[in-house]
Amino acid sequence: AQSVSQHNHHVILSEAASLELGCNYSYGGTVNLFWYVQYPGQHLQLLLKYFSGDPLVKGIKGFEAEFIKSKFSFNLRKPSVQWSDTAEYFCAVNYGGYQKVTFGTGTKLQVIP
Amino acid sequence: GAVVSQHPSRVICKSGTSVKIECRSLDFQATTMFWYRQFPKQSLMLMATSNEGSKATYEQGVEKDKFLINHASLTLSTLTVTSAHPEDSSFYICSAGSGGGTDTQYFGPGTRLTVL
Repeated sequence: AQSVSQHNHHVILSEAASLELGCNYSYGGTVNLFWYVQYPGQHLQLLLKYFSGDPLVKGIKGFEAEFIKSKFSFNLRKPSVQWSDTAEYFCAVNYGGYQKVTFGTGTKLQVIP
Repeated sequence: GAVVSQHPSRVICKSGTSVKIECRSLDFQATTMFWYRQFPKQSLMLMATSNEGSKATYEQGVEKDKFLINHASLTLSTLTVTSAHPEDSSFYICSAGSGGGTDTQYFGPGTRLTVL
């Protein structure tokens, strides 16, 4: 079965530190990749997505992610985090053109001022 | 951006009763809606895919007779938890997209169900 794994369950960083959250998926075919964010008390919001083209995708709020097909990875990065980035981040994949989305287990990011 | 709403945001009910949760796409037509369940400290688990005008497709292990889904219009899908039990207590989230494999899903704010 297709799966998505996020390696870091809880990350604590100081403001201005760089961030990289890992995401790997299990399917070898055509995939669409997403990162969603859930701020405390709010619903899921799309950070960025990759469908095709340039494997380096830029999203909102200074986030970016790189699709590396050979590694089945789609890691999320931000050069300098802010306290307001404290949230839970979910990697998600849909496979083969189907709309059904499989989510990773999420990574809680805590940024300390 | 596209907005998806859910109602109610929070519901508490007695064991054995049924609860209906609504999911609406406010500014776009959604041919497909998805229902997820999120347990504490876990990820979203897809329960079913709701297609306008046809029967929902349930994921393995999800009881279709317990979780009734109706997608009667392009802007509304409902999830009814029938004969709810305490183990059904969870956070239920819907998402909606306008269609297509590259479609982005927009998520509702979720409904917290507590069954006493």
